[in-house]
Amino acid sequence: AQTVTQSQPEMSVQEAETVTLSCTYDTSESDYYLFWYKQPPSRQMILVIRQEAYKQQNATENRFSVNFQKAAKSFSLKISDSQLGDAAMYFCAFRGSGAGSYQLTFGKGTKLSVIP
Amino acid sequence: SAVISQKPSRDICQRGTSLTIQCQVDSQVTMMFWYRQQPGQSLTLIATANQGSEATYESGFVIDKFPISRPNLTFSTLTVSNMSPEDSSIYLCSVAGYHTDTQYFGPGTRLTVL
Repeated sequence: AQTVTQSQPEMSVQEAETVTLSCTYDTSESDYYLFWYKQPPSRQMILVIRQEAYKQQNATENRFSVNFQKAAKSFSLKISDSQLGDAAMYFCAFRGSGAGSYQLTFGKGTKLSVIP
Repeated sequence: SAVISQKPSRDICQRGTSLTIQCQVDSQVTMMFWYRQQPGQSLTLIATANQGSEATYESGFVIDKFPISRPNLTFSTLTVSNMSPEDSSIYLCSVAGYHTDTQYFGPGTRLTVL
């Protein structure tokens, strides 16, 4: 079974600064998908970024980028130029690629605070 | 991505009663899922809602407690039956297309059981 570990329960960052959230995972699969979701107090889960394991290039979405280290099974999220609206819970998630592997396995989350 | 709505957005219920949560998508999707998020916790998959057949439940979740319907490709319901305070959680539906590896989530239903 896959496991996803987020070792930082809480993080804080100054507005306009950069912060990195950590995520490690454990799997025996060679092909899979990784995601970061954001959950603000409104509770809606919002997709931030996704990475396909067979792609070596790190995914980027505007101010959000990942550092995907497949051998180390690490998938960290970097938020640049942090904004007040970035304050939320961030969840790292894993999805296998095999037939029927639709389930998302989530980490416990990191609460990000943005300091004005 | 699809627009997903859930009803109700929140509810407060009495112990022993049941609540049905609706999930509506604005386009046809292949996969629909139901998750539970207990207070301060991460998300746990309850079941995959299958169109025209019984839902596929994850370990620890049973149909008698969480009956699910999916009459078509855009709609599903989750019922939380015979509720207890331990059922107080956020319940979220998510959707994905057949050739899509990404799940998109509805706004969630916050349930409080007294």
